[in-house]
Amino acid sequence: GAGVSQSPSNKVTEKGKDVELRCDPISGHTALYWYRQRLGQGLEFLIYFQGNSAPDKSGLPSDRFSAERTGESVSTLTIQRTQQEDSAVYLCASSEGTGPYGYTFGSGTRLTVV
Amino acid sequence: KNQVEQSPQSLIILEGKNCTLQCNYTVSPFSNLRWYKQDTGRGPVSLTIMTFSENTKSNGRYTATLDADTKQSSLHITASQLSDSASYICVVSANTGGFKTIFGAGTRLFVKA
Repeated sequence: GAGVSQSPSNKVTEKGKDVELRCDPISGHTALYWYRQRLGQGLEFLIYFQGNSAPDKSGLPSDRFSAERTGESVSTLTIQRTQQEDSAVYLCASSEGTGPYGYTFGSGTRLTVV
Repeated sequence: KNQVEQSPQSLIILEGKNCTLQCNYTVSPFSNLRWYKQDTGRGPVSLTIMTFSENTKSNGRYTATLDADTKQSSLHITASQLSDSASYICVVSANTGGFKTIFGAGTRLFVKA
């Protein structure tokens, strides 16, 4: 597609429920990143996919967080047993590769855990 | 430890004035540095990308500089407009094989009429 698409744009969920966030990267972009941005704070790296290599999961805050990506297509970020501190905007970005390429970000999913 | 620090945390300027935002980093080995503009409620938009050999890069009224020796970058905004009100985020990537990317916390710029 023309840009990075994320869905849903907004999600309100009850504490303890599982949520799944989706990211459609730009076609042909081999690199895909998930970030979290809490209100008033900077972007926090979560996970990075590059082609068929093993993902860099070093930013995932707990084992309640997981992400998958099949090949160079759609990625899903799953948060299990959501907590109120999970409330944030979750941003996805894709890039052509690991060089000095720019990222293109999606508009994010605003997650509110009540 | 790889870090990116931005200053000031927030800034208020009058429309038409210039301003400069700072980014200091300790990321190593350095691969590239990006400046992003993030409007409230939207994803970041790339302004400039610089590699080790580049000292300055412009994008309209935005000019970024990079001093790889002192590990400092600046973003200069000329003749500010109300639409420049946003967060400006400095992003530094390390060429560590795993390709680590570190985000600064951003500078929140408010341009007033």
